[in-house]
Amino acid sequence: AQKITQTQPGMFVQEKEAVTLDCTYDTSDPSYGLFWYKQPSSGEMIFLIYQGSYDQQNATEGRYSLNFQKARKSANLVISASQLGDSAMYFCAMREGPLGNNDMRFGAGTRLTVKP
Amino acid sequence: DTGVSQDPRHKITKRGQNVTFRCDPISEHNRLYWYRQTLGQGPEFLTYFQNEAQLEKSRLLSDRFSAERPKGSFSTLEIQRTEQGDSAMYLCASSWNRDKPQETQYFGPGTRLLVL
Repeated sequence: AQKITQTQPGMFVQEKEAVTLDCTYDTSDPSYGLFWYKQPSSGEMIFLIYQGSYDQQNATEGRYSLNFQKARKSANLVISASQLGDSAMYFCAMREGPLGNNDMRFGAGTRLTVKP
Repeated sequence: DTGVSQDPRHKITKRGQNVTFRCDPISEHNRLYWYRQTLGQGPEFLTYFQNEAQLEKSRLLSDRFSAERPKGSFSTLEIQRTEQGDSAMYLCASSWNRDKPQETQYFGPGTRLLVL
């Protein structure tokens, strides 16, 4: 059974600094995808970044990068140069299977607060 | 706006009443997903459609819940005889299955249900 663990219920970061949000996962499937979503107080889940299990390089999208350590089964999100608008809940998620037919499982989330 | 839309955004109902939510996916997406999110948790998968076919249902989807996607476009989620435990945010997501290993799901703003 797949499982996603986010051990940080809340994180604080000073504006303009970098922050790392932790995510570990558990799966026996060699093919899987890892996702990070941002959920502001408005409720909408905003897709941030994706990492495939066979990708050789860590994914990057603007200020977001994913520190993928396959042997340790971790997929930490790094946000560089934090902005006040980054304050939100952040969810790590995983999906197994090469054709993406399995449902996506989410962690419990980390609430990030960016301080001015 | 070409994103996923959901209606209504908020719903308050009395226990025992029936409620129906609607989701309009991104127009070119052929897959549509429903999730439920309770306070302090990540979204939990309920069911998904590929075109008009409902391909997978979670054990969370009790017989009081029914989802349809009659023409492969919009979808409805109905909850019959609502219970206080049904109070949650109901999220809809859509994606396009392009034979990629893992397609990305794009979420709507959610419908927040409160059962009194």
